[in-house]
Amino acid sequence: EDQVTQSPEALRLQEGESSSLNCSYTVSGLRGLFWYRQDPGKGPEFLFTLYSAGEEKEKERLKATLTKKESFLHITAPKPEDSATYLCAVQATSGGYQKVTFGTGTKLQVIP
Amino acid sequence: DVKVTQSSRYLVKRTGEKVFLECVQDMDHENMFWYRQDPGLGLRLIYFSYDVKMKEKGDIPEGYSVSREKKERFSLILESASTNQTSMYLCASSLTSGSRRYFGPGTRLTVT
Repeated sequence: EDQVTQSPEALRLQEGESSSLNCSYTVSGLRGLFWYRQDPGKGPEFLFTLYSAGEEKEKERLKATLTKKESFLHITAPKPEDSATYLCAVQATSGGYQKVTFGTGTKLQVIP
Repeated sequence: DVKVTQSSRYLVKRTGEKVFLECVQDMDHENMFWYRQDPGLGLRLIYFSYDVKMKEKGDIPEGYSVSREKKERFSLILESASTNQTSMYLCASSLTSGSRRYFGPGTRLTVT
């Protein structure tokens, strides 16, 4: 069974204090890995897709990286507006179709 | 800009009522999904549809049914609402079964 584990569950940072969120996965036939941002009471908003080990994507203060077993979302010099829950999801082949499995998320709070 | 809309942001229903949640997408996507999101459990797939009038059970279909009569519209039906169906319901669409999801804003359903 495909598994996606995110850590930590919650993270509190001071403004400007860089850190990383982790997404580790156990899937057969990884086809892609997604990162989403979710604000309270709203639907998840797409950030990145990564397809192969060694790939990196950047957007403003966020950089996502991928290895064969995990992905990291690095947040450089975060601001209070980066506070949100960050979700990771993996795409894998299952029973002839592509399945996407979500992690439970990391809730990030950035303190001014 | 692509859009997924859901019929209600908040709903309060009584135990035993039949509940309809509607979702519309304007991207001409063939794939549509219904998830529920609960604290600590993440996003769980209820049902998905890969074509008009086609549906497939997800991981937690019990107590739910779906309808897809038109390509752009995917409805989730709670035949007889129960308190354990109190949750945030998220609709999504995607170009292929494994590609990134475009999420709606969510419906917060409370069953009393």
